[in-house]
Amino acid sequence: DVKVTQSSRYLVKRTGEKVFLECVQDMDHENMFWYRQDPGLGLRLIYFSYDVKMKEKGDIPEGYSVSREKKERFSLILESASTNQTSMYLCASLPLRDRVGEQYFGPGTRLTVT
Amino acid sequence: AQKVTQAQTEISVVEKEDVTLDCVYETRDTTYYLFWYKQPPSGELVFLIRRNSFDEQNEISGRYSWNFQKSTSSFNFTITASQVVDSAVYFCALSGDAVSGGYQKVTFGTGTKLQVIP
Repeated sequence: DVKVTQSSRYLVKRTGEKVFLECVQDMDHENMFWYRQDPGLGLRLIYFSYDVKMKEKGDIPEGYSVSREKKERFSLILESASTNQTSMYLCASLPLRDRVGEQYFGPGTRLTVT
Repeated sequence: AQKVTQAQTEISVVEKEDVTLDCVYETRDTTYYLFWYKQPPSGELVFLIRRNSFDEQNEISGRYSWNFQKSTSSFNFTITASQVVDSAVYFCALSGDAVSGGYQKVTFGTGTKLQVIP
């Protein structure tokens, strides 16, 4: 069974802290994504990665960075967390082109920055 | 730029009623893909359907059906005889095609929250 897991369901951090959100997929998918979901704004793409050590900016990359050292793991890093980064963060994976758009999502991490 | 509009923010229906969720999209691509995803209260988005821009046939899967109309740039989703388990947020989404390399960037709508009341 296809699976995308995220390290935490809920996380509370303080302003200025460095925050790591981890995502692991067991499907050998090439592509991995980080989205944030906010009420009234839907899902917005932060970064995605199409291969190990490769990454591309999404629509809202400011304040975030990512790391993909292994194919199955994609990390989202908030270098210095701010209150406007309080949100639900969703990780997803996608196999190479034959399954266009059929992304597999993790359960999400609800991050609160105080 | 791509855009997906789901004008209905929230819909409430009584169980067994039919309900249609609207989706209107904008793209300059000639080849593109449209999707619907369901996000139940547990939070994990689940893929429901994919349609490519060359296939305007409507699709039915059990109580779910989808109506794709290129002329109006719409891809609407109908649930027949709704059930409480259908309560969720539903997202319509759009991506480019695999050949142009735009397939990874999926643009999501803002979602429609459906509540089915028993």
